[in-house]
Amino acid sequence: DVKVTQSSRYLVKRTGEKVFLECVQDMDHENMFWYRQDPGLGLRLIYFSYDVKMKEKGDIPEGYSVSREKKERFSLILESASTNQTSMYLCASSGTSGGSRAYEQYFGPGTRLTVT
Amino acid sequence: AQTVTQSQPEMSVQEAETVTLSCTYDTSESNYYLFWYKQPPSRQMILVIRQEAYKQQNATENRFSVNFQKAAKSFSLKISDSQLGDTAMYFCAFMPPGAGSYQLTFGKGTKLSVIP
Repeated sequence: DVKVTQSSRYLVKRTGEKVFLECVQDMDHENMFWYRQDPGLGLRLIYFSYDVKMKEKGDIPEGYSVSREKKERFSLILESASTNQTSMYLCASSGTSGGSRAYEQYFGPGTRLTVT
Repeated sequence: AQTVTQSQPEMSVQEAETVTLSCTYDTSESNYYLFWYKQPPSRQMILVIRQEAYKQQNATENRFSVNFQKAAKSFSLKISDSQLGDTAMYFCAFMPPGAGSYQLTFGKGTKLSVIP
């Protein structure tokens, strides 16, 4: 089974702090994604990566950056956390092989971040 | 840009009954993928069912089936014999084809409650 893990389930940070959210997948997937989930807004893509050291902006990249130094690990960075970044953050991964299962995204459990 | 619309923010169904969740999308592509994801309360998002647009046959996974109407750009999810464990947020998602197009566009979700 595909396993996507996130470093924390719950996180509380202060305004202005630098925040790191870590995501690790064990399926040798090429693609990794960071989403933000807010009630009534669904999931919105922040950044994604299709290879090591490669990244692409999603729909809402402002205030965020990412890092992918190893294939299995994709980090989301909030350079200076603000209260409007209080949200649920979901990581996902997908592969490009596997026949009918290709491109299916597998999600981590999520990190609920509160910025005070 | 593609958009995905789920017009029912909340729904409820009696246990053992059948319920249908609606999803419409907008695209100019002729080939693409559609997905339904389930997010139980405080639990991980999981894939329920997947449909390739070039396939005319509607996908089925046990009690879950879709009604895919390509011309109408409609992709509804039918849950038969509803169980308490089906209580969850359900998200419809669209993926365009082609290399590099691994992004999912999600609807805002439908909160389904199964009533005993």
